[in-house]
Amino acid sequence: AQTVTQSQPEMSVQEAETVTLSCTYDTSESDYYLFWYKQPPSRQMILVIRQEAYKQQNATENRFSVNFQKAAKSFSLKISDSQLGDAAMYFCAYRGYRQGAQKLVFGQGTRLTINP
Amino acid sequence: DTGVSQNPRHKITKRGQNVTFRCDPISEHNRLYWYRQTLGQGPEFLTYFQNEAQLEKSRLLSDRFSAERPKGSFSTLEIQRTEQGDSAMYLCASRPSQGGALGYTFGSGTRLTVV
Repeated sequence: AQTVTQSQPEMSVQEAETVTLSCTYDTSESDYYLFWYKQPPSRQMILVIRQEAYKQQNATENRFSVNFQKAAKSFSLKISDSQLGDAAMYFCAYRGYRQGAQKLVFGQGTRLTINP
Repeated sequence: DTGVSQNPRHKITKRGQNVTFRCDPISEHNRLYWYRQTLGQGPEFLTYFQNEAQLEKSRLLSDRFSAERPKGSFSTLEIQRTEQGDSAMYLCASRPSQGGALGYTFGSGTRLTVV
């Protein structure tokens, strides 16, 4: 079974600075998807960024980028120019690529605080 | 279309009572998922529907839990004889059949407190 581990329960960063959230995962599959989701307090979970394992290029979405290290099974999220609105729980998630693989497997989450 | 809607937002119930939650997915999404999220943890998969067919169930879904999706539209999750350990946020998500890994849209969840 696949597992996702986020070893940082909490992180904080000064506004406008850069922060990196860590995620490692375990799988025997060669093709899969990885995601970072953001869950603001009392709000719905929204997708921040995703990465297909067969792509070597790291995904980037505006201020958000990932460092995908397939051999190390590591998938970290870098947030540049942190903003107050970035404060939330961040979850790393895995999904298999094969047909029928439907469920997302989530990590425990990292609570990100932005200090003004 | 305003996204995935879940009702109620909050539910407080006494131990031993039955509760039912409802999820209305995005209308064109034929795939629907239920997750459970306990405080300080990531969501855990419970079950998955494609149209009206329930195709996968987690071992977390004990025999006190039942989910339905009649006519492939809205879905209900019922918990019978609730226990304090059932206290959690219950999340619903939907996505279309096309789009690969894209398109998971989550609802805001139903927070269940069993007293």
